[in-house]
Amino acid sequence: GAVVSQHPSWVICKSGTSVKIECRSLDFQATTMFWYRQFPKQSLMLMATSNEGSKATYEQGVEKDKFLINHASLTLSTLTVTSAHPEDSSFYICSASAGHTEAFFGQGTRLTVV
Amino acid sequence: DAKTTQPNSMESNEEEPVHLPCNHSTISGTDYIHWYRQLPSQGPEYVIHGLTSNVNNRMASLAIAEDRKSSTLILHRATLRDAAVYYCILRPRSNTGNQFYFGTGTSLTVIP
Repeated sequence: GAVVSQHPSWVICKSGTSVKIECRSLDFQATTMFWYRQFPKQSLMLMATSNEGSKATYEQGVEKDKFLINHASLTLSTLTVTSAHPEDSSFYICSASAGHTEAFFGQGTRLTVV
Repeated sequence: DAKTTQPNSMESNEEEPVHLPCNHSTISGTDYIHWYRQLPSQGPEYVIHGLTSNVNNRMASLAIAEDRKSSTLILHRATLRDAAVYYCILRPRSNTGNQFYFGTGTSLTVIP
């Protein structure tokens, strides 16, 4: 299947700082990218959907000013967690899709805010 | 978004077939049925997807009921590496509003 690369795999940051997570589709053009958050023993929760060149669509309850999503090209999307707090510690996963076909997922980023 | 219902957990013996069920009684005519699986501390992995007809690939088979209100993911010979959480997801065939919403999935345990 297609490859989606997510970086970094893990990050530890201090409370109040911002963290950027990158998601790249390596061998296909992703018209749509999704960002998820997953807490331990729980399922993936969709945070937002972004289409290349457009503003991201955020799910209800997700603060768009806190979780900044940029999808500047067909192969790159970024999620920036601004002013991170310990409750933002989670496993963040990106996904990329071309149209309505299958989606391919990154390996996830473990964020720990101390 | 259309909902799916899956058993929370299932067990299988190694090298035996596994049938993972999924109910989606509110499926619409344009919804594709997708299956993904997730190993611990990893992103989900695509398994298979289909619309109306049964589908086969190197990983699994997907059997879709004639009324499309249920489907079954079939792993023909379970291995220890198949132990994962399996998610059944409906995705609209649309260029917009085609998000993937994950349910709780089925945690598959493979017994050696």
